[in-house]
Amino acid sequence: NAGVTQTPKFRILKIGQSMTLQCTQDMNHNYMYWYRQDPGMGLKLIYYSVGAGITDKGEVPNGYNVSRSTTEDFPLRLELAAPSQTSVYFCASSNQGQAGNTIYFGEGSWLTVV
Amino acid sequence: AQTVTQSQPEMSVQEAETVTLSCTYDTSESDYYLFWYKQPPSRQMILVIRQEAYKQQNATENRFSVNFQKAAKSFSLKISDSQLGDAAMYFCAYDPNRDDKIIFGKGTRLHILP
Repeated sequence: NAGVTQTPKFRILKIGQSMTLQCTQDMNHNYMYWYRQDPGMGLKLIYYSVGAGITDKGEVPNGYNVSRSTTEDFPLRLELAAPSQTSVYFCASSNQGQAGNTIYFGEGSWLTVV
Repeated sequence: AQTVTQSQPEMSVQEAETVTLSCTYDTSESDYYLFWYKQPPSRQMILVIRQEAYKQQNATENRFSVNFQKAAKSFSLKISDSQLGDAAMYFCAYDPNRDDKIIFGKGTRLHILP
């Protein structure tokens, strides 16, 4: 059972470049999330989705875009990368509203912008 | 708006001793879920324990237990017989169990002293 899979695990970007962090889950979860975590800090919500076709901004959405065309996939797009976007990115999914719900996390994607 | 507060940014405990991490939350809901997640230096997010608000009995997982005080909106984590492997960042999370996002506290970094 794969759970939540994020790719790539590590990436170095130059300032101004763009890239997409991929996230897929195989648990048929309705909710999916993208967080960023700066060194020594907590999780900051970038975007989230309550189901296919629906996305909402979190607390730090600027510089990012998402889409949710299927239940399984929730890619995060970085446009015009900036050094301030150097962070660890976590994708998560949850079966909220269903009995026994739990939040499942991917292993994280380490992004450095130079 | 729902909030989750972890008032202890850092804590230290002697190996084999017991430590309690605090978490308070604010909500007007009666049905929700609460979680504690552990994040070791590897940055992996590991579910420690989960509590359903409608259950009065405190959840327990081996050396980890919670003190869930629904009226006081308090959800503390007790770690007994602390081990070096317990050193990590611990996050408290609130899941409203409806069409709204999960909320994380800012985390408590736990140091285990040998």
